[in-house]
Amino acid sequence: QVTLRESGPALVKPTQTLTLTCTFSGFSLSTSGMCVSWIRQPPGKALEWLALIDWDDDKYYSTSLKTRLTISKDTSKNQVVLTMTNMDPVDTATYYCARIGTGGGGPFDYWGQGTLVTVSS
Amino acid sequence: QSVLTQPPSVSGAPGQRVTISCTGSSSNIGAGYDVHWYQQLPGTAPKLLIYGNSNRPSGVPDRFSGSKSGTSASLAITGLQAEDEADYYCQSYDSSLRGVFGTGTKVTVL
Repeated sequence: QVTLRESGPALVKPTQTLTLTCTFSGFSLSTSGMCVSWIRQPPGKALEWLALIDWDDDKYYSTSLKTRLTISKDTSKNQVVLTMTNMDPVDTATYYCARIGTGGGGPFDYWGQGTLVTVSS
Repeated sequence: QSVLTQPPSVSGAPGQRVTISCTGSSSNIGAGYDVHWYQQLPGTAPKLLIYGNSNRPSGVPDRFSGSKSGTSASLAITGLQAEDEADYYCQSYDSSLRGVFGTGTKVTVL
């Protein structure tokens, strides 16, 4: 049974760095074809893809946010970590992690429940 | 930022057929990347509805179908039911394997 769960602060101040952790079970990120991605959704708005890390430790970032994002994995802990620097109120959103089980280009077949991050002083 | 364009809303009476378009470009859908569709019920995480343009995961009713042609894709819901009222998103990739989502479509059952 595949599960993913996001964790991190619910509130961050402008200019701070956000660190989110995705803890998963039911698969290994060292298995060929496995990837974990981060996706966010501002309140009432559309989904926005942020970053992806694959089984081979290749990393891909949103063009518009790549200077602020870092994605990493700890295979032994079954965790993927996303850091986003210089947070701004427009970054207020629900942040999801999701799995791809069929390699690059595949669908997000399992999602976490999401964690709401509010950016405010 | 969404680079796949969807209509903001579609509606239909129970039992009717509705379609949702997803328009991309030569750098994403037109480059040969598959299109996937997600259903998001209010207050919940998105759920995979269609993968690989036209395939349904186990448990998804056959009322949902997908297709792709050129730089566009579409999702059809036949025999619309009250529980289909939700937001729907298409998703693909660009030439650098960065994910791209659609603008989202709200389906209303009249």
